[in-house]
Parts: sequence; C-alpha cells; structure tokens
Amino acid sequence: DIQMTQSPSSVSASVGDRVTISCQASQDVNTLVNWFQQKPGGVPRLLVFDASNLEQGAPPRFSGSGSGTEFTLTISGLQSEDFGTYYCHQYDRLDTFGPGTKVDLK
Amino acid sequence: EVHLVQSGAVVKKPGESLTISCAVSGGGFTTFWHSWVRQVPGKGLEWVGRINPADSSVDYSPSFRGRVTMSADTSISTAFLHFNSLQSSDTAMYYCARLGRNWGQGTLVTVSS
Repeated sequence: DIQMTQSPSSVSASVGDRVTISCQASQDVNTLVNWFQQKPGGVPRLLVFDASNLEQGAPPRFSGSGSGTEFTLTISGLQSEDFGTYYCHQYDRLDTFGPGTKVDLK
Repeated sequence: EVHLVQSGAVVKKPGESLTISCAVSGGGFTTFWHSWVRQVPGKGLEWVGRINPADSSVDYSPSFRGRVTMSADTSISTAFLHFNSLQSSDTAMYYCARLGRNWGQGTLVTVSS
C-alpha cells in the first residue's frame, strides 16, 4: 500500500504568516491527492482536491501544488480560524492519509 | 444538498459485534463510492475502506481487511460498517464520507469491559 508522509509534524505560526506543509507519497499517485483541515472535535473539511484545485467555499489563501510523489499545501496569510491539523490523502490506489501537521499559535 | 447522518455513539464489550450506519440524503447514493474513516482519540485519520452501493463492490485497507465488513442497502440509501468481534483497540470515532467533501458527523465506538 501507498504510504504518505508529512512534514513538519507541527508548526507554530502567527497570524499573517505564510505556512507550507509538505507531503510525500511512497509511489507515484499522479495528482490524486486531497488536503483536509480538521479542528479539534470537528469533522475533516476538504480544502484542495486533485492536488491543486481549491474546493468550493475554501478560502483562496489556501493553495495546493505537486504531482507524482511530492505535494505542498500553502496557506498565504494565516488567519486565526486556520489553526488545526492538516492531512494529505491519496486516492490513487486504496486511499491513505498522511499522519497530519498541526498548526498552532506561536 | 447532500447529508450523511450516522448512527449514535455506542459502548460495547470486547468480543461483541456491532453494526454502525450512515444514511445518505440528497441523492447520488448509487453513483459514488462511500468511504469509512477511523480516528482513534487524539490520533490521525485512517482509511478503513470504501463501498460502491450500486453493485456492493468493496475495497478494504490492508489494516482493516478481515476485521470489518462494509455493506449498503440502496432501498434506504444507507451504508453500514460491521465489526465481528470488537477489541479495545477498535475504540475510535468512525466517519463515513463521500468524495471527501461530504462527511457524516461521526460515530464514537467505545469498547470496554
């Protein structure tokens, strides 16, 4: 099965910062990667699908890029409501999630 | 608008069986695969598997194959996740989801003697 790794595992940032989260797949997954945000006690929320497509309703400060095995989620201008945990997820073959990146307040 | 509504929280003893459900409204039940995702308290998301309600074809994560069974009833647009013999390690929140953009509210399963 395909393994997904994320870095960093956690990041402390301030409102207005640019935050970049990386995700690496153990095999080529083309662009079949989603990014999710989850807040404590909440349901995961889809932010980006197919590696770089912004989900309807997701703020434009979120952007995704990458293909093959390397993917990135960027938050351009962190807002207070963006704190939470972010997961990458591949759905090329038998889905898998990354371990998550926790974004908290510096 | 699509809604996924899951059955309520449950407490079970080790060795007992359990079926949790996910009722889908808003259409498309037989058009899309529906997935199950596990989240152990304080931990990350784990993909359990998915079912295509149109023909009941299923895919399981290797980590869950043989331990759970997925099914669906198209007459009531509901997907099910069945556990044969629960273990304490099955204690978790279980979510159903469609295409990643529609999620149920989660079902908390607690297994304790």
